[in-house]
Amino acid sequence: GAGVSQTPSNKVTEKGKYVELRCDPISGHTALYWYRQSLGQGPEFLIYFQGTGAADDSGLPNDRFFAVRPEGSVSTLKIQRTERGDSAVYLCASSSGTLSYNEQFFGPGTRLTVL
Amino acid sequence: QKEVEQDPGPLSVPEGAIVSLNCTYSNSAFQYFMWYRQYSRKGPELLMYTYSSGNKEDGRFTAQVDNSSKYISLFIRDSQPSDSATYLCAMLMDSSYKLIFGSGTRLLVRP
Repeated sequence: GAGVSQTPSNKVTEKGKYVELRCDPISGHTALYWYRQSLGQGPEFLIYFQGTGAADDSGLPNDRFFAVRPEGSVSTLKIQRTERGDSAVYLCASSSGTLSYNEQFFGPGTRLTVL
Repeated sequence: QKEVEQDPGPLSVPEGAIVSLNCTYSNSAFQYFMWYRQYSRKGPELLMYTYSSGNKEDGRFTAQVDNSSKYISLFIRDSQPSDSATYLCAMLMDSSYKLIFGSGTRLLVRP
């Protein structure tokens, strides 16, 4: 079956611009996560959705970052007034639940470069 | 100090060698211990996970958790060039969903 997909695969933007990154989770997965992976580092948690609501956004670095999941499936991560420090790979993951341990399946990521 | 420490490598070994990858952690609340493999320009893929302590074996891969030393290991036997990737350890507290990753170790298996 289809895995987690993310678009675009690469995004180059200029400092100060607005970007949207899209995630399509595995069909039927209720939990969706965003992580950010900087060069040479492991992924870092940003936000978690259970259904349509953001259950935990404690990892968002500041108020320039926002994410939505209006119908409980596709999610969009939005970054306003991008800065060079936002350059990273943004990974989306989904899982069938969060009881005990449910495997998080990762997408290929969107590589964001802010010039 | 990071919660999870991992040597970045790179680690270069000949084909057929036994590979040992390791992480240390500081938070004794971690209960789930995972190893992910990440190929270049791909997302992490779960290889193995262990709950609490002990060993787990799956084919050529063995995961070990030592809670007393706060140390986890992944062993790869008969390593293959296709094993060349970055290996990330990750940990979870019980009832949590926030994966806490190490920085990853780059492995190169030379033919």
